[in-house]
Amino acid sequence: DTGVSQDPRHKITKRGQNVTFRCDPISEHNRLYWYRQTLGQGPEFLTYFQNEAQLEKSRLLSDRFSAERPKGSFSTLEIQRTEQGDSAMYLCASSIDGVTGELFFGEGSRLTVL
Amino acid sequence: KNEVEQSPQNLTAQEGEFITINCSYSVGISALHWLQQHPGGGIVSLFMLSSGKKKHGRLIATINIQEKHSSLHITASHPRDSAVYICAVPPISNFGNEKLTFGTGTRLTIIP
Repeated sequence: DTGVSQDPRHKITKRGQNVTFRCDPISEHNRLYWYRQTLGQGPEFLTYFQNEAQLEKSRLLSDRFSAERPKGSFSTLEIQRTEQGDSAMYLCASSIDGVTGELFFGEGSRLTVL
Repeated sequence: KNEVEQSPQNLTAQEGEFITINCSYSVGISALHWLQQHPGGGIVSLFMLSSGKKKHGRLIATINIQEKHSSLHITASHPRDSAVYICAVPPISNFGNEKLTFGTGTRLTIIP
């Protein structure tokens, strides 16, 4: 499978716990994006990477959130001290470049914070 | 920030009908994306277009840059077309995929 893969697909956790999501983009894609989607809404931009460099972070990404892409391949999104408001679908997408490249999305990681 | 509005929010149609979904945005852009999201959550990119019209199978996307409006059409609709269709735009005209703003989506249900 050469698509974007995300892991885990579903995560249920208790408030206050830390969670980490992983995204493996399409191998030749330089750009990697994280989005968050709550029920009934469109996705909202969180952050994006050009290779290993994190180029921008949304104000939605509080200090409890951190994203990395250490070798310019896979990326992780960690949420510390989860809150119920963090419950959402976390979507990863990649593209070969930022301007002309088509976006390819993963299946998403659904987080439920109890 | 580019504001995106989609209409209708929900659309139910009989199999075979011609479907139109509309998207309007507030700030001039370089390209607009149409995406399809199935109930499981995965999103598929349908089109990325910056002018005119694109066609892929039974799907047609058009964009009018001057009017800041795009439409997605589905011909000979089928129950498997049932999904949420989302349009997304960059914040300003010089941006491509970065910081896309997404519409809230149009939920399409095709009845056999």
